[in-house]
Amino acid sequence: ETGVTQTPRHLVMGMTNKKSLKCEQHLGHNAMYWYKQSAKKPLELMFVYSLEERVENNSVPSRFSPECPNSSHLFLHLHTLQPEDSALYLCASSPRTSTNEKLFFGSGTQLSVL
Amino acid sequence: AQTVTQSQPEMSVQEAETVTLSCTYDTSESDYYLFWYKQPPSRQMILVIRQEAYKQQNATENRFSVNFQKAAKSFSLKISDSQLGDAAMYFCAYRSWLNDMRFGAGTRLTVKP
Repeated sequence: ETGVTQTPRHLVMGMTNKKSLKCEQHLGHNAMYWYKQSAKKPLELMFVYSLEERVENNSVPSRFSPECPNSSHLFLHLHTLQPEDSALYLCASSPRTSTNEKLFFGSGTQLSVL
Repeated sequence: AQTVTQSQPEMSVQEAETVTLSCTYDTSESDYYLFWYKQPPSRQMILVIRQEAYKQQNATENRFSVNFQKAAKSFSLKISDSQLGDAAMYFCAYRSWLNDMRFGAGTRLTVKP
């Protein structure tokens, strides 16, 4: 248990569905991250939040919409996804951005888009 | 942009033997940090070892050690006395004060009994 919880663990959705991924951290961290993990590719950093403000958005399509209502919760809202969006989505947190400290990860949501 | 390259998609090792996983990175920064993470079937990424670029001494954590070659921008992970529980995906990562964590594509390690 690392203090970062992601739900759901698995998600299957059609291309016209709208769903949300949830991440919660109990570590008192101020920075939260979304990463996309696809087979045989480097983990892609999607979004970075620091003190609930988005500080980085790495050219992610608008069909992915993040939300950080407070420093403990992070959501990724999904709509009209494509089959190539199927991947493992990992949430992570750290005490702050711009630091040498490690990231603490959740167990991810395995997303399948049909 | 900083990139991290792991050239070995898969590796295997016999139980109790030693294996080395390779990682290279590209950066123009002088102050940064390098990490090896392990991802078992549970999918939760676990930190294995960390190295500060300004330290010449290679980091060591029990059976895990690194060979950090700053000039060559190389950061390999050595696992000694491999155990069945070491089987996992291993990711090399780079982080600095200016850039959030960037990962390689991973190496899948199989441990044969």
